[in-house]
Amino acid sequence: AQTVTQSQPEMSVQEAETVTLSCTYDTSESDYYLFWYKQPPSRQMILVIRQEAYKQQNATENRFSVNFQKAAKSFSLKISDSQLGDAAMYFCAYRSSMAGAGSYQLTFGKGTKLSVIP
Amino acid sequence: DSGVTQTPKHLITATGQRVTLRCSPRSGDLSVYWYQQSLDQGLQFLIHYYNGEERAKGNILERFSAQQFPDLHSELNLSSLELGDSALYFCASSSDIGEAFFGQGTRLTVV
Repeated sequence: AQTVTQSQPEMSVQEAETVTLSCTYDTSESDYYLFWYKQPPSRQMILVIRQEAYKQQNATENRFSVNFQKAAKSFSLKISDSQLGDAAMYFCAYRSSMAGAGSYQLTFGKGTKLSVIP
Repeated sequence: DSGVTQTPKHLITATGQRVTLRCSPRSGDLSVYWYQQSLDQGLQFLIHYYNGEERAKGNILERFSAQQFPDLHSELNLSSLELGDSALYFCASSSDIGEAFFGQGTRLTVV
């Protein structure tokens, strides 16, 4: 079974600065997807960024980028120019790309609570 | 707005009772996934339905069950409720292997 570990329960960053959230995972599969989800106080789960394991290029979405190290099974999220609205819980998630069971459920880490200091 | 609708948003009930949570997926999505988010266990996958059929089960208790109806909406039934069942219950919908879109969740409080 796959596991996802987020070792930083809480982090803080000054507004306009850069912060990196860590995530490691364990899997025996060679092809899979990795995601970062944001959960603000509204509780809505919002997809921030996704990475396909077969792609060597790191994904980028505006101020959000990832550092995907497949051999190390590491998938960190970098938030540049942090804004007050970035304050939220961030969850790293894994999804298999194998169609064997026809099910693509997500396996989540425990989350990192990010605070943004004005 | 993700396009996934969950009702009710909040639910307070007593131990031993039974409740039903409802999820309407995005238009065209055949898959509905249910997740439970609790303080001690984090976000855990419960069950997946695809076009009316159960596809996978995760850490779902025997007291819990789900179904997906012909119009593709899904219901999660929780019975013999215990204090420890208090949690946020999410559903997510997707098309085949596409991205999962989450509803806003149902906050269940068992007293």
